[in-house]
Amino acid sequence: EIVLTQSPGTLSLSPGERATLSCRASQSVSSTYLGWSQQKPGQAPRLLIYGASTRATGIPDRFSGSGSGTDFTLTISRLEPEDFAVYYCQQYDSSPQTFGQGTKVEIK
Amino acid sequence: EVQLVESGGGLVRPGGSLRLSCTASGFTFSSYTMNWVRQAPGKGLEWVSSISSTGSYIYYADSLKGRFTISRDNAKNSLYLQMNSLRAEDTAVYYCARGGYDYWGQGTLVTVSS
Repeated sequence: EIVLTQSPGTLSLSPGERATLSCRASQSVSSTYLGWSQQKPGQAPRLLIYGASTRATGIPDRFSGSGSGTDFTLTISRLEPEDFAVYYCQQYDSSPQTFGQGTKVEIK
Repeated sequence: EVQLVESGGGLVRPGGSLRLSCTASGFTFSSYTMNWVRQAPGKGLEWVSSISSTGSYIYYADSLKGRFTISRDNAKNSLYLQMNSLRAEDTAVYYCARGGYDYWGQGTLVTVSS
């Protein structure tokens, strides 16, 4: 099983600041099958990034993804008030599919 | 517009069974792998099961140990999750999601309690 470890667990930032979220895999993951999702309280997750670096439909360009192999990063260039949420990385390269434990981005 | 609507959740006693449904619209359902993902209260996302577009390939999380069965009916644009021998730790919101997780349903709550 591929374990995805996200860091930090919580990120306390102010609107306008840059957020950098990390996702480290216990073994190599094909970039094609690595995604990032955002979840707000009481809502279903929403896909932000697929293929490690491609923004999903309608996702603002302040969100960007990068990385390959075992190290992936989600960057939010300038935090907007609506970006404070929990972010998950996920891999569906191999079964069992796995999610990271999540990074909460909270208002400082 | 792509829509995924789950149903079938509710309160069930330990050891009981429940069948969840996910009805899809707005896309060619028969062309996509579909997934079930769950989220226990206050916890993160946990992948449960996936089924290929034709149903030929099926995968489960090891933790389910044969208690859950995923299926689909492409003629009805529907995905199912049959859950048997339910335990308290199965309590969660269950989401269906399209292949690459680009679309999710709103979720249905399953509560296992006596």
